[in-house]
Amino acid sequence: SQQGEEDPQALSIQEGENATMNCSYKTSINNLQWYRQNSGRGLVHLILIRSNEREKHSGRLRVTLDTSKKSSSLLITASRAADTASYFCATPYYNTDKLIFGTGTRLQVFP
Amino acid sequence: DTAVSQTPKYLVTQMGNDKSIKCEQNLGHDTMYWYKQDSKKFLKIMFSYNNKELIINETVPNRFSPKSPDKAHLNLHINSLELGDSAVYFCASTKEESLAQYFGPGTRLTVL
Repeated sequence: SQQGEEDPQALSIQEGENATMNCSYKTSINNLQWYRQNSGRGLVHLILIRSNEREKHSGRLRVTLDTSKKSSSLLITASRAADTASYFCATPYYNTDKLIFGTGTRLQVFP
Repeated sequence: DTAVSQTPKYLVTQMGNDKSIKCEQNLGHDTMYWYKQDSKKFLKIMFSYNNKELIINETVPNRFSPKSPDKAHLNLHINSLELGDSAVYFCASTKEESLAQYFGPGTRLTVL
C-alpha cells in the first residue's frame, strides 16, 4: 500500500498540553502537507513543508520533516478543546498532484 | 461564499440505483478531485480533472463516472450502486502553484 502511517492512532490530552503526531511515508517527495478534519466535515489544509525545509511554524503549529527517515511530525502547542479533530499528513505521489494521505491521528483535547 | 460546495450532503439509496453528487468551486482553481473516505477514515483519491480533462483515474469501478462541464464543476455519477459504495465522498480543488487542496464538506452516501 502506498498509504503513509500516522502515530499514534489516537491521542487524548488536557487543554494547555502539547500534542505531537508523527507521520511516516514511503516515496520520495517534494513537499508534505498536514490537514485537519473536524467530525463530519471536510479536510482543512494546515501547513505545507517543502523537502528542502527541516522545520516550519504557523501559529501554534510546528512541523518538522526528516527526508532521510521519510518522516514528519506535527506539534500543536498549548492545545485547546477546539483542536479536537483528526489530523492527516499527505504526500504527493512521485511529485504529481495525487496526494497520498496517512491513516490519521484522532486528537481529543479535554477542557 | 462557500469555497468548495457539494450537494447533497446526505444520500441514502437502494442497491442498484444510479445517483449523482455535484461539486462546485468558486476559487478559480484549475484542478478538481474526488476522494472516497471509508468507515475507517482512510482517504483515497478517485479522480482528478485539470481544466475539464481527466488526469488521474485510479482503480475505480467503471460504474463511477466523473463529468466536468466546466472548470468550476466536477460531478460524480455512480451507476448500479453497491453496498460497498457506502462512504463519504469529498470533492477538492487546487491551484497548481499553491499545492494545498481545498475540500468540500463531503457527501455521506449510504447504500441499503
